[in-house]
Amino acid sequence: QQQVKQSPQSLIVQKGGISIINCAYENTAFDYFPWYQQFPGKGPALLIAIRPDVSEKKEGRFTISFNKSAKQFSLHIMDSQPGDSATYFCAARDNAGNMLTFGGGTRLMVKP
Amino acid sequence: DTAVSQTPKYLVTQMGNDKSIKCEQNLGHDTMYWYKQDSKKFLKIMFSYNNKELIINETVPNRFSPKSPDKAHLNLHINSLELGDSAVYFCASSHRTNTEAFFGQGTRLTVV
Repeated sequence: QQQVKQSPQSLIVQKGGISIINCAYENTAFDYFPWYQQFPGKGPALLIAIRPDVSEKKEGRFTISFNKSAKQFSLHIMDSQPGDSATYFCAARDNAGNMLTFGGGTRLMVKP
Repeated sequence: DTAVSQTPKYLVTQMGNDKSIKCEQNLGHDTMYWYKQDSKKFLKIMFSYNNKELIINETVPNRFSPKSPDKAHLNLHINSLELGDSAVYFCASSHRTNTEAFFGQGTRLTVV
């Protein structure tokens, strides 16, 4: 049972384009939604995160959009660069525990 | 300077063997985790542990057991290794009251 569903599984974007990755969740007890970036051979690293009391958070070229009623959130990467090529994971944590539940991951390739 | 370090980075072993993966964090965090990443990149929580409480994902076989000699260490012991245990195992840590989790570099376990 996958509590956090992520799409697409893979994404190819031209340099300078916008990369969009979507996630949907089931558990209404989730109260923290981070995005992690993972390069080959490395561990996941926190990129940006949001709580459900705001609808959008922006840090540089990265923006999270959050729709609480639809139980969906997305990551937008503006002006995508080849160095952004990595696997991206959305995740969610509930207010009762401290374990992250991850989406299935999106392998992003930004072509020069 | 490494925040969360795991050893070994690579581990190749035969079926039926018992092995351990070590994890240490120097961030002063009170909670540590083990995650399993399979060949399709799915990240799945195995354990969450602080000095008071061990939370086990019920789908984890009891051949897997975490051992914590102190707050800075959480080792993973695996008995009677099976082919299906081949994966990358990540250790992570966080403050119980802080939501960001820091991941180690991962240990690639190959069972032959």
